[in-house]
Amino acid sequence: SQTIHQWPATLVQPVGSPLSLECTVEGTSNPNLYWYRQAAGRGLQLLFYSVGIGQISSEVPQNLSASRPQDRQFILSSKKLLLSDSGFYLCAWSGGVYEQYFGPGTRLTVT
Amino acid sequence: AQSVSQHNHHVILSEAASLELGCNYSYGGTVNLFWYVQYPGQHLQLLLKYFSGDPLVKGIKGFEAEFIKSKFSFNLRKPSVQWSDTAEYFCAVILPYGGYQKVTFGTGTKLQVIP
Repeated sequence: SQTIHQWPATLVQPVGSPLSLECTVEGTSNPNLYWYRQAAGRGLQLLFYSVGIGQISSEVPQNLSASRPQDRQFILSSKKLLLSDSGFYLCAWSGGVYEQYFGPGTRLTVT
Repeated sequence: AQSVSQHNHHVILSEAASLELGCNYSYGGTVNLFWYVQYPGQHLQLLLKYFSGDPLVKGIKGFEAEFIKSKFSFNLRKPSVQWSDTAEYFCAVILPYGGYQKVTFGTGTKLQVIP
């Protein structure tokens, strides 16, 4: 069966520091991968999606970037964090059908 | 652009009460519709989905949703809620788009069930 992992689970970082959140999927190949930010009262905002290695599309221009160095690895990064980057970040994957499967998320607090 | 509206942001019910959460979407073409649920401290998980066919869809844990095309709605229902249904519920519209699934989520409805 397929599983999706995210780490770290929680992270506290100072403003201006770099960020790297990792997401890996097991049990499937060539998944579509997604990064979302979940904010209270705003639902889920799609940040990036990837249909293959090295293929990244951004939905929202911002202080973040994403990379997909391997088929089942998706990384969310920032060179310098802003206070507004605080939030709950979710990684998801989808295969041949339409539903998406979500990871456990990372709670990021920028201080 | 497609959008999804969930008008109930916070719903409080007593156990055994009936539930209906509203979801409306704005897109004129064929859509795939989903309800996701996030229990406290757990992953966001799929509750039910509609692709085509019978507009009344049955999901896990006694939930169902009805797709009404003329009203652009996909409301979630449960005849008798339990305390364990306390969670946040998200409606989503997913369209195939250039090789991936373009998804739009509603803002979510927090359901609190009082024992």
